[in-house]
Formats: sequence, C-alpha cells, structure tokens
Amino acid sequence: IAGITQAPTSQILAAGRRMTLRCTQDMRHNAMYWYRQDLGLGLRLIHYSNTAGTTGKGEVPDGYSVSRANTDDFPLTLASAVPSQTSVYFCASSREPNTGELFFGEGSRLTVL
Amino acid sequence: AQSVTQLGSHVSVSEGALVLLRCNYSSSVPPYLFWYVQYPNQGLQLLLKYTTGATLVKGINGFEAEFKKSETSFHLTKPSAHMSDAAEYFCAVSAMNTGFQKLVFGTGTRLLVSP
Repeated sequence: IAGITQAPTSQILAAGRRMTLRCTQDMRHNAMYWYRQDLGLGLRLIHYSNTAGTTGKGEVPDGYSVSRANTDDFPLTLASAVPSQTSVYFCASSREPNTGELFFGEGSRLTVL
Repeated sequence: AQSVTQLGSHVSVSEGALVLLRCNYSSSVPPYLFWYVQYPNQGLQLLLKYTTGATLVKGINGFEAEFKKSETSFHLTKPSAHMSDAAEYFCAVSAMNTGFQKLVFGTGTRLLVSP
C-alpha cells in the first residue's frame, strides 16, 4: 500500500545519544514535514521541505536537523537527545506545498531517559 | 500569526446522537481551514477542508463543517454518531500568504462514543 513509512516505531534512548528517525514515501510527493505531538500541545512543526534539496525550519526546530537528498526520504536527526524531546514524531507529505492535504505516517514514539 | 482554539479536550456522545466539535480560529488574512482525524496508534488523516467558495464543506464519513467568518469558527458536525467515530479530531489553519506548509494545529478534541 502506497504511503509513508516511518522507522523505528518506538525507541528508548539515553540522553546525549544521537538518533535518526527515518521517513520514506512512495507517492512522489514534493513536500515533506516532521511534526511532534505532545499531550495538550497538539502537533507542532519541526522542519519541512518543499522539494528535494531544500529544507526549512518550523515552529520548534532547535535540537533537530533534517536533510532531503531525494524525493522519497526525509530523515530527522537528534544530534544529542534530551528528555524534553520525548514525544511522538510524525512524518507527513503533500503533493505540493500549497495543497494543505497532508498524508501522515503512523508515528515514531521516542523516549529519552 | 494564525492560531486555532478547540473548545473541549473531550466530548462524549451516545451512539446516534449529534456530534459537534468546536473550532475557532485567528488569522489576519483569509484562512484555509482543515479538520483531521487521528485513530488510536495511527497518523492523522484529512476529514475535510475549506479553501474558498461554499462555506459548508462536506467530508468523509458523514462529517461536515461550516466556515463562519463573522464568528471566526469552523465547527465540525455529524448528525448521528457511530462507534467507529471515536477518535481524536484536530482543527488546523493556514493562511494564503504563508503557504500550506505552515499548517497550525489545535490541541485536539477526543470524541468518546458510548453505546
């Protein structure tokens, strides 16, 4: 089934460790996004990419980095994880940046101890 | 800046009853408005969206929402709740001058449906 695949599904990580959350889409969408979901705060945009080769900062980019080497992949890296980065992370994509219709992956639950 | 407020973190209804989930937005320019639904342990999926034109928007699974500029609202309704509607619902806003990549989500409303 076409869509977005995120990995890992769940991970427990020691503070200070580096972690990369993977995201792959097979819909040939141009735009991709990373959100974090926290109880009572809804979803907040971390980083986005309008097209391969470009990225931009969202609402809460500090402590995170992304790359967009090709259309399909949009990994999110935590260089040195901290407990406040404990969250559920969702990758999403849209056909174009201006459609407003996002397709989401099933999420990656990250716990930083 | 754009923002949305969802009134009520939890809404409980009986099966067959009317569903009403409230969303008010703030935007300095004409907004685009969305409702997304999240089922347990899944990502969000689009229910419906308002961009321009008709202010009453119909979505999937029998849901609809009406854009009311005078009230800055975009409430989600369904005439008759079904058990399968139990999920978390998110309202979101974007402004035409900033592009869709900056969707701003509300904090969500969990819909509970009892038999």
